[in-house]
Amino acid sequence: QKEVEQDPGPLSVPEGAIVSLNCTYSNSAFQYFMWYRQYSRKGPELLMYTYSSGNKEDGRFTAQVDKSSKYISLFIRDSQPSDSATYLCAMSGGYGQNFVFGPGTRLSVLP
Amino acid sequence: DVKVTQSSRYLVKRTGEKVFLECVQDMDHENMFWYRQDPGLGLRLIYFSYDVKMKEKGDIPEGYSVSREKKERFSLILESASTNQTSMYLCASRAISLPTARASYEQYFGPGTRLTVT
Repeated sequence: QKEVEQDPGPLSVPEGAIVSLNCTYSNSAFQYFMWYRQYSRKGPELLMYTYSSGNKEDGRFTAQVDKSSKYISLFIRDSQPSDSATYLCAMSGGYGQNFVFGPGTRLSVLP
Repeated sequence: DVKVTQSSRYLVKRTGEKVFLECVQDMDHENMFWYRQDPGLGLRLIYFSYDVKMKEKGDIPEGYSVSREKKERFSLILESASTNQTSMYLCASRAISLPTARASYEQYFGPGTRLTVT
């Protein structure tokens, strides 16, 4: 079993849809959770980050962590064509520790 | 803006060649990383460096070595390239910061080098 698993996609949605992207993990020591966005032919860039369980909202994006289920989600409201990218979840066990990345979900938002 | 640059966007090498991939960051970050990215496998850490002349193996170091002689520069070396090293290689850097600060979560990535070994 991989340490971090992610819906592989690809996922295609119409503009304005609510998108749910998910990751599951097996290491209960993970405490730091991140979502990175990677546009085609670019490196990933940090989109959202959370510590431990709970929700965090930033504009149209909401990150949710459920440590009891070892499950994290990224919700995108009112999705836009500019949201079309690959979304990577990442997590680490502690401050300064290296990140473990999920394989990524490719999202296409159709106008 | 933080900038991480990589020496080549595309590289084609022959089996057995020695390959150098260079990465430079301009924000005085202490930590630097080399990943490879493959479909279905995501980003896998090859090597990382906490500071100048320091290096640690990541999850898949076999067949690779690294060098960090200056703080801003982190080089990945394929001693004898093989076809299974055909991949996208991504360099990243990260600042040392407070645990609650965004900087602790943020790695700045370069645009990647797509290496093909034939």
